[in-house]
Amino acid sequence: AQSVSQHNHHVILSEAASLELGCNYSYGGTVNLFWYVQYPGQHLQLLLKYFSGDPLVKGIKGFEAEFIKSKFSFNLRKPSVQWSDTAEYFCAVKDTGRRALTFGSGTRLQVQP
Amino acid sequence: EAQVTQNPRYLITVTGKKLTVTCSQNMNHEYMSWYRQDPGLGLRQIYYSMNVEVTDKGDVPEGYKVSRKEKRNFPLILESPSPNQTSLYFCASSQTLDRNVQYFGAGTRLSVL
Repeated sequence: AQSVSQHNHHVILSEAASLELGCNYSYGGTVNLFWYVQYPGQHLQLLLKYFSGDPLVKGIKGFEAEFIKSKFSFNLRKPSVQWSDTAEYFCAVKDTGRRALTFGSGTRLQVQP
Repeated sequence: EAQVTQNPRYLITVTGKKLTVTCSQNMNHEYMSWYRQDPGLGLRQIYYSMNVEVTDKGDVPEGYKVSRKEKRNFPLILESPSPNQTSLYFCASSQTLDRNVQYFGAGTRLSVL
């Protein structure tokens, strides 16, 4: 069964610091990859997605992610975080064997002004 | 405006009292899904529907029912709620399942006493 690991459960950064959140999945076949963000009290919103092509994907609000197939990874990055990036971030994977997204357990990011 | 609408947003009920959480989307999406979100566990799929009259179990279907009589609506039914169903519930939809983004509702926070 597919599993998605987000190793950082809680990250605290100061404004302007760089961010990298890890995401690893277990399925070795064709995958669709997503990063969603959940701001406090709100629903999930898509940050970025990867279906095929260029493994470096750019999303909204200055976020990007790199798909490394050999490492089964899809890490999220942002060069300089802002206080407004405080939220919970979820990595999700859709593989050909499942009719659902498999979500990681989430990473809570706290950005201090 | 394209959206997924859930009602109610908050619900407190007692063990055994049947309840329904409604979900409606206005994007003519074929695929709809229900998730529950619990701390440290991310989002887990309860049920999904590939199209009208086509529903199937997700990872955690016990204690839940769904129906898909119309394309736009996908209600979640708890026939006899129990305290372990206290959770945050999200409805999601997408045009199809593969190579498509899922859009999420605002969530329903359910407490079963």
